Amino acid sequence: AQSVTQPDIHITVSEGASLELRCNYSYGATPYLFWYVQSPGQGLQLLLKYFSGDTLVQGIKGFEAEFKRSQSSFNLRKPSVHWSDAAEYFCAVGPLTGTASKLTFGTGTRLQVTL
Amino acid sequence: EPEVTQTPSHQVTQMGQEVILRCVPISNHLYFYWYRQILGQKVEFLVSFYNNEISEKSEIFDDQFSVERPDGSNFTLKIRSTKLEDSAMYFCASSGGIMNEQFFGPGTRLTVL
Repeated sequence: AQSVTQPDIHITVSEGASLELRCNYSYGATPYLFWYVQSPGQGLQLLLKYFSGDTLVQGIKGFEAEFKRSQSSFNLRKPSVHWSDAAEYFCAVGPLTGTASKLTFGTGTRLQVTL
Repeated sequence: EPEVTQTPSHQVTQMGQEVILRCVPISNHLYFYWYRQILGQKVEFLVSFYNNEISEKSEIFDDQFSVERPDGSNFTLKIRSTKLEDSAMYFCASSGGIMNEQFFGPGTRLTVL
């Protein structure tokens, strides 16, 4: 069964500092990997996704993530955090085949940004 | 930009009552999903729907739950007899293909008293 681990429940960074949110997955084949962001009271917004090809993917709002097969990781990074980035971040994995693609989410990392 | 919409945004109901949560997926999408998020917990898959039938469902999706696409635009989740533990945020999602990204709606917060 597929699973996702986000080891950091809560991270606090200063505005302007760099950010890395960790995500490890367990899946029997090459997965589809996603990062979603959820602001308070809002739905889930897709930041970026990895399907195949270049292992460094660029997303919206200046985020990027790197797929490392050897480490089963898909960490999210941003070089300079803005106060508006404070939110909850979810890593998710989905299968490549099947009649539909259910996403399995991690438990999320809550990002707090200090000014 | 097309988006998934959900109504109502907040539903309060008494235990044992039936509720119907409504979603309007993006118009040319073919795959539809329901997820839920209990307060403070992770988002969990409930069910996927394609070609007018359920493709996959989780163990959470028991006989109390049903989904329907009653017309060409709506996608509904019915809970027949709500329990306290059904209180959660319910998200609808849709995608244009099995390998395409899923677009999520803003959610319906269900509170069962």
